[in-house]
Amino acid sequence: QVQLVESGGGVVQPGRSLRLSCAASGFTFSSYGMHWVRQAPGKGLEWVAVIWYDGGNKYYVESVKGRFTISRDNSKNTLFLQMNRLRAEDTAVYYCGREGLVTSLDVWGQGTTVTVSS
Amino acid sequence: QSALTQPASVSGSPGQSITISCTGTSSDVGIYNYVSWYQQHPGKAPKLTIYDVRKRPSGVSNRFSGSKSGNTASLTISGLQAGDEAHYYCSSYTTNTTWVFGGGTKVTVL
Repeated sequence: QVQLVESGGGVVQPGRSLRLSCAASGFTFSSYGMHWVRQAPGKGLEWVAVIWYDGGNKYYVESVKGRFTISRDNSKNTLFLQMNRLRAEDTAVYYCGREGLVTSLDVWGQGTTVTVSS
Repeated sequence: QSALTQPASVSGSPGQSITISCTGTSSDVGIYNYVSWYQQHPGKAPKLTIYDVRKRPSGVSNRFSGSKSGNTASLTISGLQAGDEAHYYCSSYTTNTTWVFGGGTKVTVL
């Protein structure tokens, strides 16, 4: 079945780095744009980044520009989020999502938790 | 890019209809018909409920409907059921080639 599984979350000190992964299965990964969305504890959803189906274009929310990098390996059906210079306010559950319907996320992973704390 | 504006909470009795508003700007909701709504139950991932303002994905009940007027989109849930109790988030594509979510609305079934 169509599935997204995130991994790579954990506890990290401020200023350090972390790389999240999102493994896709059950669909042709290389045909879809992919997104990262995060949710801080007790807060709402915040869109983080998008990458085009071929990796040709990437866009970010202002607060992570220059610190986070979204990428993908279509040969391995995997989406990544490299997070550098992490801050306490980056603490959240990070979800990956498939843009299956133009501009809408029709498939979501279960999320991976990132905690930035000293 | 500021978050879209939603009411913090909306409530209704079983069988009633409720409407959640989502107000953006002429750079997002007002210019594109790319408004989506997501339902999120506690501890779960969001679920796409409405896309392109008013379209329902396969499997979503026709009790959910969407609309838009100017810079404000709306989600209506008719025939409210206990299982509809959840948080609902609107989202829009923007002129910056980014996406923005609303702050979320908690729906309570009385």
